[in-house]
Amino acid sequence: GAVVSQHPSWVICKSGTSVKIECRSLDFQATTMFWYRQFPKQSLMLMATSNEGSKATYEQGVEKDKFLINHASLTLSTLTVTSAHPEDSSFYICSAHRDSFYEQYFGPGTRLTVT
Amino acid sequence: QQQVKQSPQSLIVQKGGISIINCAYENTAFDYFPWYQQFPGKGPALLIAIRPDVSEKKEGRFTISFNKSAKQFSLHIMDSQPGDSATYFCAASNFNKFYFGSGTKLNVKP
Repeated sequence: GAVVSQHPSWVICKSGTSVKIECRSLDFQATTMFWYRQFPKQSLMLMATSNEGSKATYEQGVEKDKFLINHASLTLSTLTVTSAHPEDSSFYICSAHRDSFYEQYFGPGTRLTVT
Repeated sequence: QQQVKQSPQSLIVQKGGISIINCAYENTAFDYFPWYQQFPGKGPALLIAIRPDVSEKKEGRFTISFNKSAKQFSLHIMDSQPGDSATYFCAASNFNKFYFGSGTKLNVKP
């Protein structure tokens, strides 16, 4: 149990286009999901906390107009990178917080490359 | 301000040896301390976790030792295997928000 999926696993896009990444909790409900960004050989950097049915809470320094987050259901959150630039190239990982539990389960990540 | 400090940055251990990774935290409001294992190109996977009301938790070859007064916790990997070679992250949480350590890259030599 406690499986989180992400789609796509990798994506290449051209500079100026937008990319949507999906995060799904497959076998549990997740009121709260998180989006992280990870640079090579570095730790996870929390970008935003996504709550079902409400606006996401962004960490300081994260552009909310650039990284649009939607949490439309208890099993799905999406991250849209708008007007992507090469500096947005990174490994994006989502996680889901299982309600009433402490555990946070991570998706397999999405490798974004902007050319 | 880094909420969780992790050391060492990298670790080389011989097969069969014990791998030890340490973490320290400042915020006494933290009440959940998980360890994650991450392989290259993959998301982190929950390995083992502990609450502050116990001093040790063991699952198979993995043990967390927790020292509440010192605000430190550590991961011990017994009988380390080459398949354990990965990056390990400690974390601390006050239920909703997680703070991660900087990671330790473990290399277990055959």
